[in-house]
Amino acid sequence: GENVEQHPSTLSVQEGDSAVIKCTYSDSASNYFPWYKQELGKRPQLIIDIRSNVGEKKDQRIAVTLNKTAKHFSLHITETQPEDSAVYFCAASILDMRFGAGTRLTVKP
Amino acid sequence: NAGVTQTPKFRVLKTGQSMTLLCAQDMNHEYMYWYRQDPGMGLRLIHYSVGEGTTAKGEVPDGYNVSRLKKQNFLLGLESAAPSQTSVYFCASSESGTEGEQYFGPGTRLTVT
Repeated sequence: GENVEQHPSTLSVQEGDSAVIKCTYSDSASNYFPWYKQELGKRPQLIIDIRSNVGEKKDQRIAVTLNKTAKHFSLHITETQPEDSAVYFCAASILDMRFGAGTRLTVKP
Repeated sequence: NAGVTQTPKFRVLKTGQSMTLLCAQDMNHEYMYWYRQDPGMGLRLIHYSVGEGTTAKGEVPDGYNVSRLKKQNFLLGLESAAPSQTSVYFCASSESGTEGEQYFGPGTRLTVT
């Protein structure tokens, strides 16, 4: 089955800096790559997603890039704010969804 | 719209006891999922359903059973609970299967002693 690895496991940045989280996947047939944000004690919520026929997608301060040849995709958050502090999960999907282990992002004011 | 709801929110079981977790969604979604979340391991799929009356195994199905008798409900059963099943359980639903947003419930925190 699909295997998704996510790095780093923890990330600390200063408010206003950029944050980058990277994921790799194993099954070249995977075709959908969402990113979820989970605040402490809350449910995961989708923040952005990308499909395999697109290389990059942007939504305000958040962007995702996909390199199908290398089988990796990344989440970029610019101008980070304290409310961006959360755990972020990447996932790759073919027959079912496989999640990465998560990245705990802390944005220091 | 309540979205996805889960019952109960918390539960403590003794080893060997059984219980059922209920997930309900009011978005008329065909697809429903049960995940478990453990520290440092992300979300792992237990079972899923692609429509009323259907179920399928996910990544970690052992020790669990599921049923989808009604489109809006997806039940997760533990027949004989073990300490290794201590986890937070999330239900999710989706309109377009594995290529679309999954909407998660608030989670159930289960402790097996």
